[in-house]
Amino acid sequence: GAGVSQSPSNKVTEKGKDVELRCDPISGHTALYWYRQRLGQGLEFLIYFQGNSAPDKSGLPSDRFSAERTGESVSTLTIQRTQQEDSAVYLCASRNGGNPGYTFGSGTRLTVV
Amino acid sequence: KQEVTQIPAALSVPEGENLVLNCSFTDSAIYNLQWFRQDPGKGLTSLLLIQSSQREQTSGRLNASLDKSSGRSTLYIAASQPGDSATYLCAVLRGGSNYKLTFGKGTLLTVNP
Repeated sequence: GAGVSQSPSNKVTEKGKDVELRCDPISGHTALYWYRQRLGQGLEFLIYFQGNSAPDKSGLPSDRFSAERTGESVSTLTIQRTQQEDSAVYLCASRNGGNPGYTFGSGTRLTVV
Repeated sequence: KQEVTQIPAALSVPEGENLVLNCSFTDSAIYNLQWFRQDPGKGLTSLLLIQSSQREQTSGRLNASLDKSSGRSTLYIAASQPGDSATYLCAVLRGGSNYKLTFGKGTLLTVNP
């Protein structure tokens, strides 16, 4: 597609439930990132995928967070047993190979009640 | 650990005024610095990217400077317009294989008509 697409755009869930967030990167972009933006905070790096290499998971805040990407296509970020502190905007970005420019999606606003 | 600070956190100016947003970073070993714009409910839009070897970049009414040795960047907006109202984010890119961005918390700009 023309841009990075994220779904859903908004998600309200009850504490303790699992949620799955989806990101469709720009076709041909080999690198994909997930960031989290909590209210009043800067964007925090969560995870990075590059082609078929092992992902960089160094930003995942706990073992309740996991992400998958099949090849160079769609990625899903899963949060298990959600907590109120997981409420944030989750942003996905993709990048083309050695080009340092990022393209961000519009994000998923997650609210845990 | 790289830390990025943006000052001021919020700025309100009358239309037509020239303004400067500031960004500082603690580790000068960066690959590049990027300025983004974020509108409510939307993703990030890349405004300017300055490579570590460059001193400034210009796009229309925007000019970004980089002083890598002192760990500072400024974003200058000339003849501000109400449509410039948004949050402006500064991010530095560490070199290496994963191109991970470290973001500041942003400056919320309001341009009053």
